[in-house]
Amino acid sequence: GENVEQHPSTLSVQEGDSAVIKCTYSDSASNYFPWYKQELGKRPQLIIDIRSNVGEKKDQRIAVTLNKTAKHFSLHITETQPEDSAVYFCAAIRDDKIIFGKGTRLHILP
Amino acid sequence: EPEVTQTPSHQVTQMGQEVILRCVPISNHLYFYWYRQILGQKVEFLVSFYNNEISEKSEIFDDQFSVERPDGSNFTLKIRSTKLEDSAMYFCASGLAAYNEQFFGPGTRLTVL
Repeated sequence: GENVEQHPSTLSVQEGDSAVIKCTYSDSASNYFPWYKQELGKRPQLIIDIRSNVGEKKDQRIAVTLNKTAKHFSLHITETQPEDSAVYFCAAIRDDKIIFGKGTRLHILP
Repeated sequence: EPEVTQTPSHQVTQMGQEVILRCVPISNHLYFYWYRQILGQKVEFLVSFYNNEISEKSEIFDDQFSVERPDGSNFTLKIRSTKLEDSAMYFCASGLAAYNEQFFGPGTRLTVL
C-alpha cells in the first residue's frame, strides 16, 4: 500500500523567512496530493493541492511542487507570518484512500 | 458556507461498550470518509463510502467497526466493543468526487475508560 514520509517533523523559522516541507510517496499510482493545515484542537483544512499531471501550483504565499519521477512533493511557504504556526500534513490519494504523512509542526519565531 | 458537522463533540464510554459517532456531510457531496487521529499523531484513514457501500478501508477498520448512511443526510461510524486504544479524535469528511478535496468535520473526541 501507499506510504507517505514527511520531513522535518518540526521546523522553526523566523517570521518573514520561508519554510519548506518535503514529502515522498511510494505508490506511483497515487495521483492527487493535498496539503492540510491543522491548528491545535481544530480540524484539518486544505490549503493547497496538486494533481499528478501538474509540476507546480502556487496560491499567494503558498506553493507546491511535484516530481512524479522521484515521487517527491514539497510545500513552500514564503514570507511566513505568526498565523502560519500549525501542524502541516501532506497526503497522497490513490483509489479514494488518503494516506497522510506524520505531520510537520511549524513554529514561526518573532 | 456549508460545513460537515459531527456529534457529539466529546464521547466518554466504558471499555466494551458500543458507540455511534454521527456526521452530517455537506448536502451535495457523494463521497464520505472516516479518519482517526490519536493525540499528537497523524491522521489515519479508516474507511471511504460511496453509493451506499464501502469503497476502501484500512487495516484499522476491522470487524469492530461499521459505517452506515441510514438516511439522506447522516453518516455514522459504529464501534461495537470499544477498546482503550480506540481513544482518539474521529473525523468525518465528505467530498464531491473521488481524487478531490475532502472537507473535514470538527471531530468527535472519543475517550474509552
